Amino acid sequence: QSALTQPRSVSGSPGQSVTISCTGTTTDIGNYIYVSWYQQHPGRAPRLIIFDVSQRPSGVPDRFAGSQSGSSASLTISGLQADDEADYFCCSYAGSYTFVFGTGTKVTVL
Amino acid sequence: QVQLVQSGAEVKKPGASVKVSCKTSGYTFTTYDINWVRQASGQGLEWMGWMHPNSGNTGCAQKFQGRVTMTRNASTSTAYMLLSSLRSEDSAVYYCVRPGPARGSFDSWGQGTLVTVST
Repeated sequence: QSALTQPRSVSGSPGQSVTISCTGTTTDIGNYIYVSWYQQHPGRAPRLIIFDVSQRPSGVPDRFAGSQSGSSASLTISGLQADDEADYFCCSYAGSYTFVFGTGTKVTVL
Repeated sequence: QVQLVQSGAEVKKPGASVKVSCKTSGYTFTTYDINWVRQASGQGLEWMGWMHPNSGNTGCAQKFQGRVTMTRNASTSTAYMLLSSLRSEDSAVYYCVRPGPARGSFDSWGQGTLVTVST
């Protein structure tokens, strides 16, 4: 199972929006609605910010939004804030109770 | 609240094995799977496998088959991950992770255990 493909980095100014893509195949994202996204600050464990493609856990602001189209998923961060600077990883169910993560994207707030 | 507390850092030689523990609290241990995810320095997350604490059933990514063993001690609410035949590429931070009710929603993470494989 190959890792899902994400851009290496994206950047934006405070207040702007950025979108991170996550490209998979018909054996993972394209076949299931179980896409999740994780935020990871340096030296910290990842934090769940989106599950089931577009659902936010309690406490995650609605500035974070997820979507899916075909074999790709996206995470949009609107109203970018300094604390949003972190690494972001997508994850998809890949059948037979296996999962695959994305390659990761570094978000820089300019 | 849900907590997963992992064992401390390990340094191992190539060919050796490492066993990482994950002590859970704040919920009924047998109710949720425990997954293991690793991250090499500066690299992405890699899903390794899962174990259901109630049945003991396990599953793992194909690349770890034959090398990873996941077990548990229900009396202490602790999960274990044993990785054998270590090589330098196995140097990474290993996380135990508990999913939420939704499939693949890994919402509770241990603090991570650094495993270094070096001669």
